[in-house]
Amino acid sequence: SQTIHQWPATLVQPVGSPLSLECTVEGTSNPNLYWYRQAAGRGLQLLFYSIGIDQISSEVPQNLSASRPQDRQFILSSKKLLLSDSGFYLCAWSFYKTSGVNFGPGTRLTVT
Amino acid sequence: AQTVTQSQPEMSVQEAETVTLSCTYDTSESDYYLFWYKQPPSRQMILVIRQEAYKQQNATENRFSVNFQKAAKSFSLKISDSQLGDAAMYFCAYGVFTGNQFYFGTGTSLTVIP
Repeated sequence: SQTIHQWPATLVQPVGSPLSLECTVEGTSNPNLYWYRQAAGRGLQLLFYSIGIDQISSEVPQNLSASRPQDRQFILSSKKLLLSDSGFYLCAWSFYKTSGVNFGPGTRLTVT
Repeated sequence: AQTVTQSQPEMSVQEAETVTLSCTYDTSESDYYLFWYKQPPSRQMILVIRQEAYKQQNATENRFSVNFQKAAKSFSLKISDSQLGDAAMYFCAYGVFTGNQFYFGTGTSLTVIP
């Protein structure tokens, strides 16, 4: 069966500091991978998705970036965090479109 | 651009009663996928039900069913015999047939009253 891991579970970072959130998927090969952000009153916002290694598509222009150095690894980064980057970040994977996306446990990021 | 709208930020239902959550979407595509996800207090997202746009028959999963109106671009979720465990945030989602994106609405917070 497939499993998705995210870490850390919670993170408190000061404004202007860098960010690195990691996500790995087990039990499947060549999945589509996604980063979503959940902020109060804004639902789930699609940030990035990837259909393969080093193939990243950005949905929202901002100070975040994503990378996929390995087939089942997806990383969300920032060089300098803003207060507005606070939120709940969810990594997800998909293989068949009809099955939707499968989410990880999420990372709660608070920028102070 | 595809957008998903959930006009009910909060809903409540008496235990054992029926509740309907609304969702509308905007798309220029003729084929796509629609989903309802549940996010309980644990925050783990769970797929509740899915519908493929080319299928006219409404999907059902036990106490959960949908009312899919393609012309109106409407996809509502009906929860029958509501249980305390149904209390959660519910998200409507749209999957692009010609792409790989999945877009979500802003969510509806459902409270179940004992």
